[in-house]
Formats: sequence, structure tokens, C-alpha cells
Amino acid sequence: AQKITQTQPGMFVQEKEAVTLDCTYDTSDQSYGLFWYKQPSSGEMIFLIYQGSYDEQNATEGRYSLNFQKARKSANLVISASQLGDSAMYFCAMRDSRSDMRFGAGTRLTVKP
Amino acid sequence: NAGVTQTPKFQVLKTGQSMTLQCAQDMNHEYMSWYRQDPGMGLRLIHYSVGAGITDQGEVPNGYNVSRSTTEDFPLRLLSAAPSQTSVYFCASTTYGTGPDEQFFGPGTRLTVL
Repeated sequence: AQKITQTQPGMFVQEKEAVTLDCTYDTSDQSYGLFWYKQPSSGEMIFLIYQGSYDEQNATEGRYSLNFQKARKSANLVISASQLGDSAMYFCAMRDSRSDMRFGAGTRLTVKP
Repeated sequence: NAGVTQTPKFQVLKTGQSMTLQCAQDMNHEYMSWYRQDPGMGLRLIHYSVGAGITDQGEVPNGYNVSRSTTEDFPLRLLSAAPSQTSVYFCASTTYGTGPDEQFFGPGTRLTVL
């Protein structure tokens, strides 16, 4: 069965520093997609970045990058140069051949000035 | 382009009442889904649909019904509301498959069952 694990309930980072949010997943499929979403206090879900299981390069989107280690089944989100506006909940998610997207429990990131 | 719309935004029910949460998308997406989010938790999948006429259960389907008569609409029905169904409900849509197409979310419905 699909399972997404985020082991960090909360993280703190100093403004302008980088932070890594951990995500491990479990699937028996060879083809799958990994996603990260941000949920600010206003509640909306904001898509950040995608990594396909066959992608050889780690995905990057601006200050976001995904550290994809397929053999370890991990897909960690790296945020560089943290900003106060990055304070939010962050969710890792996966879609495999079952098509439904499953989410981890999330990590609450707090950026300190 | 409205994206994914949900109504209502807020709802208070009494135990035992029924209601339907509406969801619509205008992006011609095959795949639609309903999630619930409880305080301090991630999103849990209730039901999903890979196309009109096709629905399937997610992780927490008990107490909820869905139907998909058109590509655009995917209503979620609570048949007999219980306090355990107090939550924020998100509808989402995307294209079918494991590709890079992101899942678009509606703004959410905050439901309280007394």
C-alpha cells in the first residue's frame, strides 16, 4: 500500500538559511510521481515541485529543489535562502499507478527573523 | 478560468443531518478527489474518480457518498453527519496518470458537526 512518511512535525530555520524537509515513501510501482505542496495559514494548497520516478535529475523550481534518492525512497524538499513568507505547513505527496494522490502528515516550518 | 470551486465555504450541521458539498472544475480534468484535513494532520483521501461514471474509495470513505455524472462535477454527500466528520474538506482535480500535472485544489469547506 502507498505510504508517505514525514518524520518532522515541526522545523525552525533562520531567515536566509537553507532548510531540508524530509519525506520517505513506499510503493511497489516503478512509475510514480512525487509532489510537494505548501499550505499557509490561510489554508489553500499551493503546488511547489514535482519529481517523476524516471527523472534522472533532481527537480528544481526557483528556491525549491527536491533531493530525490530513489534507492532509499526519499524525496526531501530543500528550500534555499528561507524567507519569512515560507512559514507554513509543507506536505509531501505521491501518485502511483493507483492514480490517487496520498499525502504525508506534514511538517510545520517556522522561519525566524 | 475558475479552476476548482467548492461550496459552501463554511457549514454547521447537527448530528444526523445530511448535506452535499459541491465541487466543480472547468479544466476538463479526468481525475477528481475529495480529502479531509483534521487539525495537525495531513490530507486523507475520502473518495476519488478517474472519469465520469467511475468512483472509488480512498482511505476514509465511511459515512460519505460520491457520484460523478459529468466531468465537471463531483459532489460529496454526508448521509448522516457525525461529530467525527468535523473537518476541512478539499476537492481537487488533475489529469489522469503519474505525470507532472499538479493537482489543483479548491479553497476548502470548513464543516462543523454539533
